Amino acid sequence: AQSVTQPDIHITVSEGASLELRCNYSYGATPYLFWYVQSPGQGLQLLLKYFSGDTLVQGIKGFEAEFKRSQSSFNLRKPSVHWSDAAEYFCAVGAYGNEKLTFGTGTRLTIIP
Amino acid sequence: DAMVIQNPRYQVTQFGKPVTLSCSQTLNHNVMYWYQQKSSQAPKLLFHYYDKDFNNEADTPDNFQSRRPNTSFCFLDIRSPGLGDAAMYLCATSSSGIKETQYFGPGTRLLVL
Repeated sequence: AQSVTQPDIHITVSEGASLELRCNYSYGATPYLFWYVQSPGQGLQLLLKYFSGDTLVQGIKGFEAEFKRSQSSFNLRKPSVHWSDAAEYFCAVGAYGNEKLTFGTGTRLTIIP
Repeated sequence: DAMVIQNPRYQVTQFGKPVTLSCSQTLNHNVMYWYQQKSSQAPKLLFHYYDKDFNNEADTPDNFQSRRPNTSFCFLDIRSPGLGDAAMYLCATSSSGIKETQYFGPGTRLLVL
């Protein structure tokens, strides 16, 4: 069965600083990997996704993620955060032939001035 | 322009009293999903429709049912809500399979008294 672990429940970052959110997955074959963001009162929005090919994936809002098979990781990064990035971030894994997305428990990001 | 609409945003019901949550979409997507998200937990897929084909997750309680009368609308029925069913219920849509972006509504928060 597929699973996702987001080790950091809450992260606080200063505005303008760099950000890395961790995601580890468990799946036997090549996974489909996603990052979603949830702002207060809003639905989840897709930031980026990875299926195959180049292991560095660019997404919306200046985010990127790197797939590392050897570490079973798909960490999300941003070089310089903005106050509007404060939200909850969810990593998710899916697989070919299975419509089910399995989400991690999320990382809450707080931005301080 | 709202694409996935959930009504109501907040729903209060009594223990054991049936409740229906609704979801509508303007995207004309084939697939509609219902997730349950309890506090500080990952969104958990309950079931999904691919067109008219209903797909129930193995661990979804029998207390939860769904209807999709047409492409645009999907309903979640909880026949006899228990205190443990209090959660945020998320509706999502996608154009086809797992690789496609899922578009989420803002959710309905259910409170069971």
